[in-house]
Amino acid sequence: DQQVKQNSPSLSVQEGRISILNCDYTNSMFDYFLWYKKYPAEGPTFLISISSIKDKNEDGRFTVFLNKSAKHLSLHIVPSQPGDSAVYFCAAIPSGTYKYIFGTGTRLKVLA
Amino acid sequence: GAGVSQSPSNKVTEKGKDVELRCDPISGHTALYWYRQSLGQGLEFLIYFQGNSAPDKSGLPSDRFSAERTGGSVSTLTIQRTQQEDSAVYLCASSLDYGALGGTQYFGPGTRLLVL
Repeated sequence: DQQVKQNSPSLSVQEGRISILNCDYTNSMFDYFLWYKKYPAEGPTFLISISSIKDKNEDGRFTVFLNKSAKHLSLHIVPSQPGDSAVYFCAAIPSGTYKYIFGTGTRLKVLA
Repeated sequence: GAGVSQSPSNKVTEKGKDVELRCDPISGHTALYWYRQSLGQGLEFLIYFQGNSAPDKSGLPSDRFSAERTGGSVSTLTIQRTQQEDSAVYLCASSLDYGALGGTQYFGPGTRLLVL
């Protein structure tokens, strides 16, 4: 049972445009969410996070939005750059635990 | 070290053999995690260490899998009698402290295991 879902396995975006990566979850007891970026042959690197008490968190070109009623998380990258091309994983942490539950990832390709 | 390191980076083994995967966490990080990523799958939690103890082994897929951590630092994940379905990338992560807000998990580059 996949509790965290990334339904788009891939996404292509033109350089300079907005990239929107989506993540849906089923467990209402998740209270912290994160996005990680992964380049080939490297481990995932932390990008941005959001607590369930917030609906938006921004860090430079990266903004994460949380819609708790829809159980939906999204990552916006503006403007997209070729170096952003990577696989993006969303992760959720159930309340009172330390476990990261990851989605299956979305491969973003930013076209120059 | 500057980051989490793992060795070997790649391992090819024959079905039935045992393998050991090593993780060196970031110095000072008390929490250590093992995940695996099978082809086309997300990262699957395996086991977590707080110091040298493993409060949660629930993610280990079978009793062929075991892990230990010594000196609050290096961890070894051992897979006995490997099977082809064990083929995956095994990722280690560490965080400063325990708990969801105890610190972001920092990942190593992973060990790519192929069981023939």
